[in-house]
Order: sequence, then structure tokens, then C-alpha cells
Amino acid sequence: ETGVTQTPRHLVMGMTNKKSLKCEQHLGHNAMYWYKQSAKKPLELMFVYSLEERVENNSVPSRFSPECPNSSHLFLHLHTLQPEDSALYLCASSQKQGNEQFFGPGTRLTVL
Amino acid sequence: AQSVAQPEDQVNVAEGNPLTVKCTYSVSGNPYLFWYVQYPNRGLQFLLKYITGDNLVKGSYGFEAEFNKSQTSFHLKKPSALVSDSALYFCAVRDLNTNAGKSTFGDGTTLTVKP
Repeated sequence: ETGVTQTPRHLVMGMTNKKSLKCEQHLGHNAMYWYKQSAKKPLELMFVYSLEERVENNSVPSRFSPECPNSSHLFLHLHTLQPEDSALYLCASSQKQGNEQFFGPGTRLTVL
Repeated sequence: AQSVAQPEDQVNVAEGNPLTVKCTYSVSGNPYLFWYVQYPNRGLQFLLKYITGDNLVKGSYGFEAEFNKSQTSFHLKKPSALVSDSALYFCAVRDLNTNAGKSTFGDGTTLTVKP
């Protein structure tokens, strides 16, 4: 185990649903990340938080909304998603931004 | 700007043989380099990193990587491959001279070790 947990592990949602992905790290790290991993596509960095402040937002559509209430928790709120948003969503943390990252197991999201 | 290339989508080796997974990088300053491994249905796991010092870096599971500044490469190696090493491997780079601290990942190389 890497010390980073993600829930749920699998999620199926319709395009009109609202859901949230949760990530929790037990490593005392100060930076947290959301990535999208699609089949046959490179790993895409979505958001970076450092000391609970968003420091990176890589032109992600507004239907994805991150929240970092404290240094141990990270959420990704989803609403009105599209089928092309189906992917594995990975959370990661690092001691500080830019250091080696520790990844959670991911949430496999399917949008119908 | 920073970038990383993994020129091989797929690497196949026989169990017991040495393996190499290639990575080249481009940064304007000094590189901070990483290797990660991803097993099926799992997140990425950190294997090893290079910041400064000895060009040969040792990591988890018997893997090592060699930093070559003149060739801007950071190839991952293992002297004797195991079937359980079969996975997706990612190289990543970060420019130490920037404050952004963002890592760029390669597209990944699928390693298959056959018995």
C-alpha cells in the first residue's frame, strides 16, 4: 500500500448525475494531484494543490471541480460529464510539489 | 519547457535476461528524473529517482537506472528479469531550476517478460 486511498474504486454514472471522487493520504504530504488516465493516451495532469492552494489547473473543463479542504484530503466533484470522460482517475501526493509522487489505486469511471 | 520520451511502446524479454527500458529527456535546467511502474488495475508506484550524485541509481525490486547527461538519457535496467516485472513503466522529468515543480510523464512502455 502506498498510503494513498481513493474511493470509490469503480463508478458508473449517467451524464446528468453529480458524484464526487475522494482521495486521502496518510503520509503527511503537502502536495496533492489529480490525473486522468485514458486508454492509449498519456497520463494527463488535471489539478495540483500545494499546502491546500490550487497551483495548477491544466485547462480542465468546468464539469470537473476540485476541492482540497485540508492537506490530507482531495475531492473531485463531477457533474454533467460526457462519455469521453470515462477513464481511470488517479490521485497522488508528494512531500512537496515536484518530489516523487505516491499514487492511489485510482477510480475507474464510466459515463453512460 | 521540459519533455520526456519513451521511444518504445513495448519491450519483450525472456525471464532471466537483462532488461532495459529507454527514456530520454529535455529540460532547460538541471533534471530531476523518476521512474514509476503501474501494474494492471493499480495506480503508479515510485521506483527510483535521480537528483544529483552517482549516475547509477538503485531502486525498488532490483531495478536501477543510469543517468547520462551527454545523451540526456535515464534508462531503466534490471540484470535479470522476472515474469512479475511485466507492467507499464513511466519515466518522468522535472526541471529543478523552475519553481513550478511540475513533473512531465512519458507515454509509458509496456514490459512483457516471458517465461
